[in-house]
Amino acid sequence: EIVLTQSPTTMTASPGEKVTITCRASSSVSYMHWYQQKPGASPKPWIYETSKLASGVPDRFSGSGSGTSYSLTINNMEAEDAATYYCQQWLTFGSGTKLEIK
Amino acid sequence: EVQLQQSGAELVKPGASVKLSCKTSGYTFSNYYMSWLKQMPGQNIEWIGNIYGGNGGTGYNQKFKGKATLTVDKSSSTAYMDLSSLTSEDSAVYFCARRGHSYWYFDFWGPGTMVTVSS
Repeated sequence: EIVLTQSPTTMTASPGEKVTITCRASSSVSYMHWYQQKPGASPKPWIYETSKLASGVPDRFSGSGSGTSYSLTINNMEAEDAATYYCQQWLTFGSGTKLEIK
Repeated sequence: EVQLQQSGAELVKPGASVKLSCKTSGYTFSNYYMSWLKQMPGQNIEWIGNIYGGNGGTGYNQKFKGKATLTVDKSSSTAYMDLSSLTSEDSAVYFCARRGHSYWYFDFWGPGTMVTVSS
């Protein structure tokens, strides 16, 4: 069973800052999906198949990676981006990265 | 527009069972798998299992075999999950999520149903 390890666990970013969240898989995988979740809400599909943005996701978001290392990047952090982000591969989710705004 | 509507919050006693529903609209129910997922407060997301809308075929996370039973009613485009022998460890929010055709991507989610197990 694949284990997904996200880093950092929590982070704080200022408006306009570039943010990178990493997801490492315990063995090589061919894709990664990402979800955004805000308190009290269900996860929202955010990035699929490593780099494709889900409908409605701002283009300041991007995804990349291969093998065992994948990342979600935000160029120009905005207040609305504060949330918890989860990576997912097949049946497994990462433990989440909580992103807060300064 | 694809929509997944889940049943309301449940307060159940230890040892009891509960049946959650996920009513869908806006797409052809029989062409997709529906997954159920569990999220305990402040915790990670766990995949429980999925069921195919077309024939009711199921697959379960080994951890939830015997705990969760998935069924569908094609006539109403609704998926159900029965949870049995409830304990405090079953207190959580349960989501239904449509599994898209791409690589186990959960492309639409319900709002979740909170289950609280307490005497």
